[in-house]
Amino acid sequence: GAVVSQHPSWVICKSGTSVKIECRSLDFQATTMFWYRQFPKQSLMLMATSNEGSKATYEQGVEKDKFLINHASLTLSTLTVTSAHPEDSSFYICSAREPWRGNGYTFGSGTRLTVV
Amino acid sequence: GENVEQHPSTLSVQEGDSAVIKCTYSDSASNYFPWYKQELGKRPQLIIDIRSNVGEKKDQRIAVTLNKTAKHFSLHITETQPEDSAVYFCAALGNEKLTFGTGTRLTIIP
Repeated sequence: GAVVSQHPSWVICKSGTSVKIECRSLDFQATTMFWYRQFPKQSLMLMATSNEGSKATYEQGVEKDKFLINHASLTLSTLTVTSAHPEDSSFYICSAREPWRGNGYTFGSGTRLTVV
Repeated sequence: GENVEQHPSTLSVQEGDSAVIKCTYSDSASNYFPWYKQELGKRPQLIIDIRSNVGEKKDQRIAVTLNKTAKHFSLHITETQPEDSAVYFCAALGNEKLTFGTGTRLTIIP
């Protein structure tokens, strides 16, 4: 099946610094990728939809200047958490639609971000 | 936008018994309903899904039912085993976006 690779799997950063998370589709082209955030013991909440070659679409309440998304190629989307604060500590997961499974979605392995 | 509610939030079941998790959705245009199993710190894993033109689907010990009129869908796990212990999420796809339920922590008691 379709594979989405996400890196890093975990990262610890200091408050005020920026962190970049990468999401790659390994065996297919993904014109659209999705970024989710999951706080402990909570559900996955869609943050934004990443569109190749155009601006990302952010969900209501998500700060686009804080969570920068770049989808410069058909296989790579990046999420940069800028000026990170402890409240940004969370599990970030990307997702892409599997091209040969109709409505099927495949997920990256997730990134555990801890801001200290 | 879509709103997905999931119940119960926690469920403990004796090994070998059945477990049922229920979800409701709000957007009648949603047409795809996957169920995911997530273990701690891991990505969600698709366990079964159903499309809006089907009322029921079964895969070994796992089944899903969908009532489009009532906007309900349910996950049924029979003959539960300890490895079924995890958090389960339902989701609904509408307008190209997956909206997740709040999750159910399923514990199988040996």
